[in-house]
Amino acid sequence: EAGVTQSPTHLIKTRGQQATLRCSPISGHTSVYWYQQALGLGLQFLLWYDEGEERNRGNFPPRFSGRQFPNYSSELNVNALEPEDSALYLCASSLAGTYQETQYFGPGTRLLVL
Amino acid sequence: GESVGLHLPTLSVQEGDNSIINCAYSNSASDYFIWYKQESGKGPQFIIDIRSNMDKRQGQRVTVLLNKTVKHLSLQIAATQPGDSAVYFCAEPPTSGTYKYIFGTGTRLKVLA
Repeated sequence: EAGVTQSPTHLIKTRGQQATLRCSPISGHTSVYWYQQALGLGLQFLLWYDEGEERNRGNFPPRFSGRQFPNYSSELNVNALEPEDSALYLCASSLAGTYQETQYFGPGTRLLVL
Repeated sequence: GESVGLHLPTLSVQEGDNSIINCAYSNSASDYFIWYKQESGKGPQFIIDIRSNMDKRQGQRVTVLLNKTVKHLSLQIAATQPGDSAVYFCAEPPTSGTYKYIFGTGTRLKVLA
């Protein structure tokens, strides 16, 4: 069974541009989570989608947004990119965003903003 | 989920020795815990989990201990190998009625040859 997949693996942008990151969850999983991980730091929660709805949001500005599609795949959009947005963006999925559900992570998209 | 954006503590261990990585949790209602391993440039991988009705769970070369009294988890790696070098962090999936996935800060394990 395929795990969580993310694309692209690497993305280079310049300040002010927009980035779109994509995630496909494990088959059967309805919840998708997005995390930002700056170099050497821990995971910072960005967004959580379940059944097409945004369920929770971390402490990030509105220029970080996303959506979940009917097939449960998800996009993370970052507008007006800043160099400090450079990080590894991780997507995770779980069966449902509820009690005792294990999250499984994708390989991440490494975003570099020049 | 939440995590603290601090620079990671590092544990250096000689190859062949045992490693112990610790994690404190704050939610006394948490009853399920997971350990993840994250190698450089990769996404976190599930290692082992434990439910609160257990004090100890063993996997292949890994053991997780849970002390609910002091809200503490530990991950023990036996006969540490170079391939064990990674960041390890604990996670608390949502408890009933909450929707927060909580991650520990993480510990960087360096295996010395």
